[in-house]
Amino acid sequence: AQSVSQHNHHVILSEAASLELGCNYSYGGTVNLFWYVQYPGQHLQLLLKYFSGDPLVKGIKGFEAEFIKSKFSFNLRKPSVQWSDTAEYFCAVNAYNFNKFYFGSGTKLNVKP
Amino acid sequence: GAGVSQSPSNKVTEKGKDVELRCDPISGHTALYWYRQSLGQGLEFLIYFQGNSAPDKSGLPSDRFSAERTGGSVSTLTIQRTQQEDSAVYLCASTVSGAGIGKNIQYFGAGTRLSVL
Repeated sequence: AQSVSQHNHHVILSEAASLELGCNYSYGGTVNLFWYVQYPGQHLQLLLKYFSGDPLVKGIKGFEAEFIKSKFSFNLRKPSVQWSDTAEYFCAVNAYNFNKFYFGSGTKLNVKP
Repeated sequence: GAGVSQSPSNKVTEKGKDVELRCDPISGHTALYWYRQSLGQGLEFLIYFQGNSAPDKSGLPSDRFSAERTGGSVSTLTIQRTQQEDSAVYLCASTVSGAGIGKNIQYFGAGTRLSVL
């Protein structure tokens, strides 16, 4: 079975610091990759996605992620975080067009003002 | 409706009781997923409905869990004889169908927090 690992469970940063959240998956074939975010008191929502093409994808609010196939990774980055980025971030993987999506355990980001 | 609606938002029950959790997807979304999120864990796939096709039940953890989707819209997840380990947040997500289901963005409800005492 596929698995998704997010090694950072809780990250605390000051505003303007740079962010990188790790995501590794176990499936060896073609994948669709996603980052979802859950802001306090809100639903899970899509942050960005990768299907094919340029491995560096940009999402909302200045976030980007890089797909590195050789490392089975899809790390999330932001050059300068804001207090409003405080949220829980989930990486998700879909084995190419099959039904199931596999989610990581999430990373809680706390940005200090 | 504007988004995926789940009810109740919180449910406290006694061990051994049955519970029903409801999900009302976004209008027009033919695919529906149920997930379970236990404390400190990721989202665990439970079941997937796509139109009138037979559901993918491969994620249901035991035969105490079942789900149905009536009329291709509202779905109910039923847990019989609840156990303490069933305590979790149960999330529902819907998505449009089409070629390449794996590329479709999932829209999540707020979840039902189930506590089994």
